[in-house]
Amino acid sequence: SQQGEEDPQALSIQEGENATMNCSYKTSINNLQWYRQNSGRGLVHLILIRSNEREKHSGRLRVTLDTSKKSSSLLITASRAADTASYFCATPFTGANSKLTFGKGITLSVRP
Amino acid sequence: EAQVTQNPRYLITVTGKKLTVTCSQNMNHEYMSWYRQDPGLGLRQIYYSMNVEVTDKGDVPEGYKVSRKEKRNFPLILESPSPNQTSLYFCASSRQGASNQPQHFGDGTRLSIL
Repeated sequence: SQQGEEDPQALSIQEGENATMNCSYKTSINNLQWYRQNSGRGLVHLILIRSNEREKHSGRLRVTLDTSKKSSSLLITASRAADTASYFCATPFTGANSKLTFGKGITLSVRP
Repeated sequence: EAQVTQNPRYLITVTGKKLTVTCSQNMNHEYMSWYRQDPGLGLRQIYYSMNVEVTDKGDVPEGYKVSRKEKRNFPLILESPSPNQTSLYFCASSRQGASNQPQHFGDGTRLSIL
């Protein structure tokens, strides 16, 4: 199965700064998703980007997808303390099971 | 409000005592699944269901059972829990298959098996 791998594993920034998180995957995909998980809570879907899209925006979030490099990035602009969370990329499983495969996540800490 | 509801949120129990974690969604979703989340291992899928009466194994199904008798409910059953099943469990649902649909997650169930 393919799996997204996020980079870095942990990121600490000051409030107001931008946070960039990366995800690499192994085989061709038709979409990639990003999720956020606040401590002790369930994952929340942020963005789904399809393979024919290079960039997508949602509020302060910007996601890019480079299928030639098999990588995606999540940019959070003007970060806030409330953005402190773990962030996961998820890619479709290529087998019969219609499921997502999640990376191990990036822990983002935004210092006030 | 669209939501996935899991119960209980926390449970401490003993080895061998059967337990059920319930999951219910109010979005008329066809696809539901269970994950466990462990430090260093990320999220791993236990079982999934494409629709009523259609269930199949995920990556780590051993020691678990599921059923899907109604579209909204997808309970996870541990017939004889063991300490290695101590984990944080999540139920998720989507309109159709998970591979190209946003997943809606419950808030999780933290299970401790002593």
